[in-house]
Amino acid sequence: QSALTQPASVSGSPGQSITISCTGTSTDVGSYDLVSWYQQHPGKAPKLLIFDVTKRPSAVSNRFSGSKSGSTASLTISRLQAEDEADYYCCSYAGTRAIFGGGTKVTVL
Amino acid sequence: EVQLLESGGGLVQPGGSLRLSCAASGFTFSSSAMSWVRQAPGKGLEWVSGISVGGGGTYYADSVKGRFTISRDTSKNTLYLQLNSLRAGDTALYYCAKDRDCTSASCQYFDWLGQFDNWGQGTLVTVSS
Repeated sequence: QSALTQPASVSGSPGQSITISCTGTSTDVGSYDLVSWYQQHPGKAPKLLIFDVTKRPSAVSNRFSGSKSGSTASLTISRLQAEDEADYYCCSYAGTRAIFGGGTKVTVL
Repeated sequence: EVQLLESGGGLVQPGGSLRLSCAASGFTFSSSAMSWVRQAPGKGLEWVSGISVGGGGTYYADSVKGRFTISRDTSKNTLYLQLNSLRAGDTALYYCAKDRDCTSASCQYFDWLGQFDNWGQGTLVTVSS
């Protein structure tokens, strides 16, 4: 059960956009539109940002958006802000299990 | 307001057992699938186990299959995780997480979604001699 593949780190300046990729296989990301994304600040519990590949909970900023192509999902953060500095994780439903990505540390320069 | 309060963590020797509990409130517990997710110190998130809405479906990561058992008591609004044959590699903060509710036709045939809209603060399990 390998984790989904995410870049270890991504950085950007305030106001810029960044994209985090999440690569799985045909048995997880490629098979289901049940990809979710989470933000985790140090010492805090994760927070749901995106579900069903592209949908956003009502309380989440529209600066966060999701997409998917084949077995790779992506999270884009637009108009980057200092408060976006955190760890980000993707997760995919895979039938009898859920699989997280290894996590991406986002640094705001 | 949804609240998930984990308890039961602690220090245990290799080979030992623990039972984690997650007291749920603020939502209809019996109508939600639930999961346990862990995070080793300084590491990423790892899904451990999930249970479907009715409890008829239970799911486990390969790393814990045969050693951990998930269950739920809807009369007490509580989720459990029984941890047996513990190893040093099981040392982690264990989070209880609520599966998001299915509100569209696209997910009606799934008994759990593996998408977590509410999380507890975690309970720490340390396996060490």
